Amino acid sequence: KNQVEQSPQSLIILEGKNCTLQCNYTVSPFSNLRWYKQDTGRGPVSLTIMTFSENTKSNGRYTATLDADTKQSSLHITASQLSDSASYICVVKAGNNRKLIWGLGTSLAVNP
Amino acid sequence: DGGITQSPKYLFRKEGQNVTLSCEQNLNHDAMYWYRQDPGQGLRLIYYSQIVNDFQKGDIAEGYSVSREKKESFPLTVTSAQKNPTAFYLCASSIQTGDETQYFGPGTRLLVL
Repeated sequence: KNQVEQSPQSLIILEGKNCTLQCNYTVSPFSNLRWYKQDTGRGPVSLTIMTFSENTKSNGRYTATLDADTKQSSLHITASQLSDSASYICVVKAGNNRKLIWGLGTSLAVNP
Repeated sequence: DGGITQSPKYLFRKEGQNVTLSCEQNLNHDAMYWYRQDPGQGLRLIYYSQIVNDFQKGDIAEGYSVSREKKESFPLTVTSAQKNPTAFYLCASSIQTGDETQYFGPGTRLLVL
């Protein structure tokens, strides 16, 4: 069964600290993986997309990694800001039916 | 929110009533989508449309209907057949269905009275 699991479910950090969010998937065949940021009460916004051949991709203070062998991805946030408080959702696209499998998200709170 | 608007922000439905959620985009995107988001669950696809006058059922289409008469508009009707309509509804669009960069609207929260 195609699944996307994210951990931790929630996380609280202090402003200025770094953090790493995890995404494990069992989707096969794999097409790509995307990280979205969703502010409370708003729609998700795409942060990065990772294809099979990519290991690391950065978008400002956000760095995503992908290990296609272990079927794991991580999102690292550097020097966190209060505005980083949001839910971060991992989405994997299946390569056969092109279906998107959405994770439940990690809720991140950055406190001053 | 990438040129996609949803209205209203909050909507209340009475028992047995149909309600329609609006979604408009000015991005000239061909594909549009409707998702439902519930606490503790990932986004679930209700309906999607690849082109005007065409739409396909997603994973949870029962109790919902859509239309795509214009490229810019993709309204969703929550019918009385949907027994658990309380949720956060998100509309999205993309250049084509093969392009996974979906741009989301701000969402509509539907509550049942």
